[in-house]
Amino acid sequence: ELKVEQNPLFLSMQEGKNYTIYCNYSTTSDRLYWYRQDPGKSLESLFVLLSNGAVKQEGRLMASLDTKARLSTLHITAAVHDLSATYFCAVDMGGSEKLVFGKGTKLTVNP
Amino acid sequence: DTGVSQDPRHKITKRGQNVTFRCDPISEHNRLYWYRQTLGQGPEFLTYFQNEAQLEKSRLLSDRFSAERPKGSFSTLEIQRTEQGDSAMYLCASSFPGARVFFGSGTQLSVL
Repeated sequence: ELKVEQNPLFLSMQEGKNYTIYCNYSTTSDRLYWYRQDPGKSLESLFVLLSNGAVKQEGRLMASLDTKARLSTLHITAAVHDLSATYFCAVDMGGSEKLVFGKGTKLTVNP
Repeated sequence: DTGVSQDPRHKITKRGQNVTFRCDPISEHNRLYWYRQTLGQGPEFLTYFQNEAQLEKSRLLSDRFSAERPKGSFSTLEIQRTEQGDSAMYLCASSFPGARVFFGSGTQLSVL
């Protein structure tokens, strides 16, 4: 059974600081997704990482994938308040885009 | 709006009643997924369709749950004899094979 673990589950940081969220998964997969969710809202697709060594960046967020270590990271650079949300990683269970999600990281960026 | 559309956004029902939710996927997407999300947790996979065929159902999907996608376009998820434990956000998603998965806004179900 595929398991996906994120850490930390809660992250409180100051504006302007950098931090990394980690996503580990238990079985082989070469497709990993990152989503953002605001309270009471649905999931917004941020990144899809499709191969070992993939790195994608948009704005202050950068995601990477190491399939050998079964690890993805979401790095936040110079955080701003608007990044406050819950971030989920999700792993494709076998090529059908059927996703197993982590529990999410609730990020709070304080002024 | 060409995103994934779900209806209703909110549903309040009494225990024992039946409820039905609808999902309209992005038009060119042939895969459609249903997930359930409870407070503080990530979404959990329930079932998925490729065109009109239901290809997989999770063990989470009890006999009280049924999903259809009759013409390979919109889908419905019905819950019979609702229980308080069914209270959750029900999310629909769609994709094309190998492409990004897009989620709808969800239906928040509250069972009293």
